Amino acid sequence: NAGVTQTPKFQVLKTGQSMTLQCAQDMNHEYMSWYRQDPGMGLRLIHYSVGAGITDQGEVPNGYNVSRSTTEDFPLRLLSAAPSQTSVYFCASSTRRRTETQYFGPGTRLLVL
Amino acid sequence: GENVEQHPSTLSVQEGDSAVIKCTYSDSASNYFPWYKQELGKGPQLIIDIRSNVGEKKDQRIAVTLNKTAKHFSLHITETQPEDSAVYFCAASFTGANSKLTFGKGITLSVRP
Repeated sequence: NAGVTQTPKFQVLKTGQSMTLQCAQDMNHEYMSWYRQDPGMGLRLIHYSVGAGITDQGEVPNGYNVSRSTTEDFPLRLLSAAPSQTSVYFCASSTRRRTETQYFGPGTRLLVL
Repeated sequence: GENVEQHPSTLSVQEGDSAVIKCTYSDSASNYFPWYKQELGKGPQLIIDIRSNVGEKKDQRIAVTLNKTAKHFSLHITETQPEDSAVYFCAASFTGANSKLTFGKGITLSVRP
C-alpha cells in the first residue's frame, strides 16, 4: 500500500491564482481531513470528510473548498491564493473518525507570493 | 472547544537521558489522547495513544501517562537516542459524531549525541 499520497510536494503561486492540492489514500479509509501547519501554530483542521459525498468545515476553512466524490480522493482547492495561505498542508485519513489513528501524507509546501 | 497546550516548546537532552513532554487539555469530555512524532520533511506519525479508561501505557522506550483529574497527560521517552530528535505533537478528542481532534502546538526535542 502507498498509504496517503499528496501532490505536488512544493508549489509557488502568485496572489489571486487558484490551485488544487491532491490527496489520495489506498487504505479504504472513510475519514479524511486536511490540516495546515504553521510555525508555532501546530496543526489546524481546514476541512474534513466522513465519507464519499460528505464534507464539513474545520477550524480554519475560509479560502478553501473540498469535495469527496470517491472514497480514495480528497482534493483541497484554493480559490484565490493569498500570502496568508503560505503553509505546509497535510492530508490525513483514518478508518472511521478522529479518535482512530490518523495516517498523514508527506505534505505539500505552498508559497504564495 | 478543546484547548491543548504543550510544555515546554523546546527540549534538549543528552543521549541516554530521559525526556518528558507534558500536555494539558481543557475539555473534561475528552477521552482519547494520541501522540504524534514528526521528523524533518515528513508528515506526523502516531507513536502511542491512550484512552481515558487507563492511566498509563508503555511501548518499549516510550510511555504515556494520563491524569484525568488534573487534565494533563505526558509522554516519557527513556534512553533517548539521536533518532528521537523530532517535533512531537499531543492531541485530545472525545468519541462522538461531532468530535474534533485538537492538536497542541508541538515541541521540538533535540537529543545531543
